[in-house]
Amino acid sequence: NAGVTQTPKFQVLKTGQSMTLQCAQDMNHEYMSWYRQDPGMGLRLIHYSVGAGITDQGEVPNGYNVSRSTTEDFPLRLLSAAPSQTSVYFCASQTGIEQYFGPGTRLTVT
Amino acid sequence: TQLLEQSPQFLSIQEGENLTVYCNSSSVFSSLQWYRQEPGEGPVLLVTVVTGGEVKKLKRLTFQFGDARKDSSLHITAAQPGDTGLYLCAGGSGGSNYKLTFGKGTLLTVNP
Repeated sequence: NAGVTQTPKFQVLKTGQSMTLQCAQDMNHEYMSWYRQDPGMGLRLIHYSVGAGITDQGEVPNGYNVSRSTTEDFPLRLLSAAPSQTSVYFCASQTGIEQYFGPGTRLTVT
Repeated sequence: TQLLEQSPQFLSIQEGENLTVYCNSSSVFSSLQWYRQEPGEGPVLLVTVVTGGEVKKLKRLTFQFGDARKDSSLHITAAQPGDTGLYLCAGGSGGSNYKLTFGKGTLLTVNP
């Protein structure tokens, strides 16, 4: 099992550009989520999904879109990147009450 | 909004020393998890506690969930340089525990 994989590892965007952060898991977990981690702020939930076709907003959803067409994949879309979205992004999948995190994507918006 | 306060924010100790990290809230959580995160990597789950007063041991690490399920502690005995990392607590609420609330973390450095 690869667990939770994320691509890319690093990304630099210019303000206004769009991109998709990819996340995939091979553990057949129904629940997946996206977090951002900023210095001094801890991990904050952006969006989550309790199964294919079902998504909901977390604590900081503005500027981000998600979709869940399959159990395995949960991409995060930035439609118009802003410098405030510079952060490290983590995807996680969950079984029961245990979450498994991916290695993260470090995004810089200039 | 549920908040988890972790203390201390930073901790630097010598190899062999003992330490305790705290995670406190005014809210009740149905479960409490501890993660360790190393630079450039995602958090890795260490333990989950679900019962008030529960104590779990993982080698030199001892985790305790408060009786009222509002607080937790992590105690490390005879710390080693390999224990260095960011320790995060996370609380789950509701029946599914899907939406976790994370503390801001304690950055531990163990010097050889």
